[in-house]
Amino acid sequence: AQSVDQPDAHVTLSEGASLELRCSYSYSAAPYLFWYVQYPGQSLQFLLKYITGDTVVKGTKGFEAEFRKSNSSFNLKKSPAHWSDSAKYFCALEAGGSNYKLTFGKGTLLTVTP
Amino acid sequence: AQTIHQWPVAEIKAVGSPLSLGCTIKGKSSPNLYWYWQATGGTLQQLFYSITVGQVESVVQLNLSASRPKDDQFILSTEKLLLSHSGFYLCAWERTGGYEQYFGPGTRLTVL
Repeated sequence: AQSVDQPDAHVTLSEGASLELRCSYSYSAAPYLFWYVQYPGQSLQFLLKYITGDTVVKGTKGFEAEFRKSNSSFNLKKSPAHWSDSAKYFCALEAGGSNYKLTFGKGTLLTVTP
Repeated sequence: AQTIHQWPVAEIKAVGSPLSLGCTIKGKSSPNLYWYWQATGGTLQQLFYSITVGQVESVVQLNLSASRPKDDQFILSTEKLLLSHSGFYLCAWERTGGYEQYFGPGTRLTVL
């Protein structure tokens, strides 16, 4: 079985600060990992993915994430944060190899104050 | 460029009534297609996926069904709605071998 944990339901920080949203996963083999963002009242947008290779991956909107196999984490980072980054962020996992099943974490609501 | 449409944008339905939600992908042939459900303020639950016309796999049982009558169309339906079906329904597509999914604008369903 696969699972994703986002331990912080809500994160608040000031504009200009560095942001890091936490994500840990449970899966026995090589995972495919993703971050998506959902702005209020809208659908989901893809930010970045880790499939294999470099453990630091860069995505859209200035975000990057680091895959750490040692502690089963895939944290999302951005510096500096902007008020427009305020949204809900979801980490997701797909079991590698044509599994087709995507498991989402519960999400972290990020509020960036001006 | 690929575009994904969902219809209707929103629905208000009575408990026990039937439902049909649609999703169309343009500009991409033979995509993998997915249906998700999101409770208000909640996470996303994958409902179905389809990798080819006429073939649909169920991921979770929620008294819903899905069909893929055409390469670019994915339909979600039920004959009898429950209050628990309320939420945000999202369709997504994935290019074969691409891994990331791209989501449609969604349909908001309220069951009264």
